[in-house]
Amino acid sequence: DGGITQSPKYLFRKEGQNVTLSCEQNLNHDAMYWYRQDPGQGLRLIYYSQIVNDFQKGDIAEGYSVSREKKESFPLTVTSAQKNPTAFYLCATQSRGSGELFFGEGSRLTVL
Amino acid sequence: QQQVKQSPQSLIVQKGGISIINCAYENTAFDYFPWYQQFPGKGPALLIAIRPDVSEKKEGRFTISFNKSAKQFSLHIMDSQPGDSATYFCAASILTSYDKVIFGPGTSLSVIP
Repeated sequence: DGGITQSPKYLFRKEGQNVTLSCEQNLNHDAMYWYRQDPGQGLRLIYYSQIVNDFQKGDIAEGYSVSREKKESFPLTVTSAQKNPTAFYLCATQSRGSGELFFGEGSRLTVL
Repeated sequence: QQQVKQSPQSLIVQKGGISIINCAYENTAFDYFPWYQQFPGKGPALLIAIRPDVSEKKEGRFTISFNKSAKQFSLHIMDSQPGDSATYFCAASILTSYDKVIFGPGTSLSVIP
């Protein structure tokens, strides 16, 4: 079954803890993206990667880190340096030349 | 230059009516203009998209109108249904580049019976 798998769907974190959100794809797409969505707001780009072992900061990269060791995987770590991490996080992929973004189901992170 | 503006922020339409959402962009290098539909708790999904070489594209009840000279494009939903209630995002990007896709802030549409 082709698609994008994000896990966990829901995550609770205590202040000061790092957490890692998983994003796996079997669409064979080159590019992968992480977006943050706050209630009633649009999509803000955190990081994106066009190719394995390379990634670029988006508009709100502070307090986040990523890696791209495999084409299929693009995990996002929300570090303790992120001051307001409670949000809905969306992973997306794109194949070269198509323009279309494919999104996962999202991960909702709540900081207690 | 990189911004995409979208209006209205929210929209309430009666069942059977026409929903219209408008977007404007600044960067003339953009050559792909998609609309995404997002239901609560789900990721967005592509609804319909247009290239700047055409002025209109229709898929079922959904139509994109594109005005290249004004740098504006809009989504029209004909015969709006309660199942269309969702958040709609317009976006703009450059097809030859994997660079950022620029999203509008979104429009929350409610279709009431």
